Amino acid sequence: DAGVTQSPTHLIKTRGQQVTLRCSPKSGHDTVSWYQQALGQGPQFIFQYYEEEERQRGNFPDRFSGHQFPNYSSELNVNALLLGDSALYLCASSTPTSGGYTDTQYFGPGTRLTVL
Amino acid sequence: KQEVTQIPAALSVPEGENLVLNCSFTDSAIYNLQWFRQDPGKGLTSLLLIQSSQREQTSGRLNASLDKSSGRSTLYIAASQPGDSATYLCAVPQGAQKLVFGQGTRLTINP
Repeated sequence: DAGVTQSPTHLIKTRGQQVTLRCSPKSGHDTVSWYQQALGQGPQFIFQYYEEEERQRGNFPDRFSGHQFPNYSSELNVNALLLGDSALYLCASSTPTSGGYTDTQYFGPGTRLTVL
Repeated sequence: KQEVTQIPAALSVPEGENLVLNCSFTDSAIYNLQWFRQDPGKGLTSLLLIQSSQREQTSGRLNASLDKSSGRSTLYIAASQPGDSATYLCAVPQGAQKLVFGQGTRLTINP
């Protein structure tokens, strides 16, 4: 059973460019969350997708957008890249509990984005 | 707003020692608390998840405790090994979907 997969592993972009990161959730999971982790910091929540809609969003500008496909895979798009967007981007998948809360989140290996 | 703090930021101990990592959170109305391990440049591996109704969870040499009333959790690692060297993160849900993480404790076990 494949876990959460992310592509690409590493990416180098220049300021002002646009980037798309991809995530495939663990088998049986229908919810995908994206996190940004700057060096030496804990991950920061960007947004979560469920049933192809954004359910909750963290404190990130509109330059960060996402999408979820019918097969539950997801993309994270970042426009007009800034130097400060350099980070490890983590995708997590889960399935909501009956109470609406997200149970254990399983994380992928991440995509390391470097903006020059 | 939920805030999570981990102390210390870094810890270095000789192999074989028992050690405790600390995690505190400001809002005690949590649904659960999760401990993760992260190796350098890698993703997160879930170690233990404690539901709000539980006091502790154990997995091998790891034991996590939860005291909701005081807003604290500890991760106890017994008989530490060099392979335990990693960053350990705790996280709690805020609202139904979002995980709030601490800054992590970078642990080094010296042979």
